[in-house]
Amino acid sequence: DGGITQSPKYLFRKEGQNVTLSCEQNLNHDAMYWYRQDPGQGLRLIYYSQIVNDFQKGDIAEGYSVSREKKESFPLTVTSAQKNPTAFYLCASSIGVSGETQYFGPGTRLLVL
Amino acid sequence: QQQVKQSPQSLIVQKGGIPIINCAYENTAFDYFPWYQQFPGKGPALLIAIRPDVSEKKEGRFTISFNKSAKQFSLHIMDSQPGDSATYFCAASMRGGFKTIFGAGTRLFVKA
Repeated sequence: DGGITQSPKYLFRKEGQNVTLSCEQNLNHDAMYWYRQDPGQGLRLIYYSQIVNDFQKGDIAEGYSVSREKKESFPLTVTSAQKNPTAFYLCASSIGVSGETQYFGPGTRLLVL
Repeated sequence: QQQVKQSPQSLIVQKGGIPIINCAYENTAFDYFPWYQQFPGKGPALLIAIRPDVSEKKEGRFTISFNKSAKQFSLHIMDSQPGDSATYFCAASMRGGFKTIFGAGTRLFVKA
């Protein structure tokens, strides 16, 4: 089955801790994205990557970091600098670089202890 | 200019009703307008999409109406069912733009 997987489903972070959210796709898509979704709100773009070893900041990149060492993988690290990390994090991918139809993973819910 | 404004924020209809969700945009360079459906605790999934060269597109019970001159588009759900209860996002993007701009979402509840 082709698709996007995210893990873990739930993640707990302690104060001052960095945590990494996993995103893997087997759709052979070039572009990948990370979004943050807060309750009752839309999707806000954190980072996106058009190609391996290249990525761009989105609208709310502060306190987050990413890497794109492989086409299939785009992990997101929530650093201790992100003071309000509690949210639902969604990874997505799209064919090519037009950013048209996006295919989303099931999401990771991050909670602060 | 990069915003997509979506309304209403929430919507309650009776089973069989026709909920309508509206979106407006400013940037005339947008050339792809998808709608996504999201169930609680899940990622959004593409429902239906339209390009500005057509004024209407139907897929099953879902219809997009597009008004290029007004820079508005809307989603109509015919014969709505309780299983349609979800959050709906409109969006806009442009070729080579890399980013998709999402509306704030509409929470739809269809009463049985």
